[in-house]
Amino acid sequence: NAGVTQTPKFRILKIGQSMTLQCAQDMNHNYMYWYRQDPGMGLKLIYYSVGAGITDKGEVPNGYNVSRSTTEDFPLRLELAAPSQTSVYFCASSYEGKSEQYFGPGTRLTVT
Amino acid sequence: DQQVKQNSPSLSVQEGRISILNCDYTNSMFDYFLWYKKYPAEGPTFLISISSIKDKNEDGRFTVFLNKSAKHLSLHIVPSQPGDSAVYFCAASAVLMNYGGSQGNLIFGKGTKLSVKP
Repeated sequence: NAGVTQTPKFRILKIGQSMTLQCAQDMNHNYMYWYRQDPGMGLKLIYYSVGAGITDKGEVPNGYNVSRSTTEDFPLRLELAAPSQTSVYFCASSYEGKSEQYFGPGTRLTVT
Repeated sequence: DQQVKQNSPSLSVQEGRISILNCDYTNSMFDYFLWYKKYPAEGPTFLISISSIKDKNEDGRFTVFLNKSAKHLSLHIVPSQPGDSAVYFCAASAVLMNYGGSQGNLIFGKGTKLSVKP
């Protein structure tokens, strides 16, 4: 099992560019999540999904979009990147009914 | 407002001694608490958890204590080892707004950096 995988590991974007952060899990988890972690802060929920075709906003969704067409994949789309989106992004997944979430290694994004 | 607070940004402990990491929360509706460990350039890894109906959970060298009346939990590591040096995050589980259930939205503290010196 690879667990939760994320690509790319690092990315530098110019203001106004767009990109998609990829996330995949091979544990057959229904629930998937996207978090961001700013320096010296805890993780904050951006979007989550409880199954294929079902997504919803978390605490900080502005500037992001998600889709969930399969159980395995949960990409995060950044449109019109802004310096405020400079952060480390973590994808996570969990079984339905379980609070323990399993995290990917993260994507470090810099917007200049 | 911070619902989960870890007031100590860092903690330094000698190898073999006890490490105690503290966490306070404000929302009495939290029903599950978790501790995560994070090494640099890696994602958080789940360490131990406790349900709000319990006051203690133990797993090897790691024990989590929950004091609901004080809205306080702590993680004890005994004995501490150099490999335990990492950032520890406390997290509380809140109900996902539209789908209910006890899982889902984890509210994280800012973390405590533990250094265990040989």
